[in-house]
Amino acid sequence: DVKVTQSSRYLVKRTGEKVFLECVQDMDHENMFWYRQDPGLGLRLIYFSYDVKMKEKGDIPEGYSVSREKKERFSLILESASTNQTSMYLCASSLGTGYNEQFFGPGTRLTVL
Amino acid sequence: QKEVEQNSGPLSVPEGAIASLNCTYSDRGSQSFFWYRQYSGKSPELIMSIYSNGDKEDGRFTAQLNKASQYVSLLIRDSQPSDSATYLCAVNTGFQKLVFGTGTRLLVSP
Repeated sequence: DVKVTQSSRYLVKRTGEKVFLECVQDMDHENMFWYRQDPGLGLRLIYFSYDVKMKEKGDIPEGYSVSREKKERFSLILESASTNQTSMYLCASSLGTGYNEQFFGPGTRLTVL
Repeated sequence: QKEVEQNSGPLSVPEGAIASLNCTYSDRGSQSFFWYRQYSGKSPELIMSIYSNGDKEDGRFTAQLNKASQYVSLLIRDSQPSDSATYLCAVNTGFQKLVFGTGTRLLVSP
């Protein structure tokens, strides 16, 4: 089974703090994704990566950056957290090369005070 | 126009009934389609994928795809209270990305 893990289930941070969310997958998947999920808005893609050190902006990249130094690990960085970044953050991975099924980690519920 | 549309529900069905969940999409070039189940407070879990027109069955679940009508559905037979969740439709619109609908909430009453 594909396993996607995220560094924290719950996180509370202060406005202006730099926040790191980490995601690790153990199935040698090519693609990794970061989403946020908010009530009524569904899943929105923040960034995705299709290879080590490669990244593409998603629909809502403002205020976020990402890092993928190793194939299995994809980090989401909030450079200066704001209250409107309070959300559920979901990491996913997919095999790539035509196999588009995405498998999700358990999610991190981030609260910015 | 939203790329993937679902009725938000809730869709209420009695235990043992068939639940029918529907999804329409706008990109005629879409090639692959997925259904995810999401329990409250949990992350989405892939339950079905479908790539070609017609029906695909897996246990109590059947996915149906009609590319001409740009329509994909999920049928859940013999619905159980444990099936109560939000069901997300997702469509691959190119380059490895999926576009998700906002989900349909299903309530199965005992």
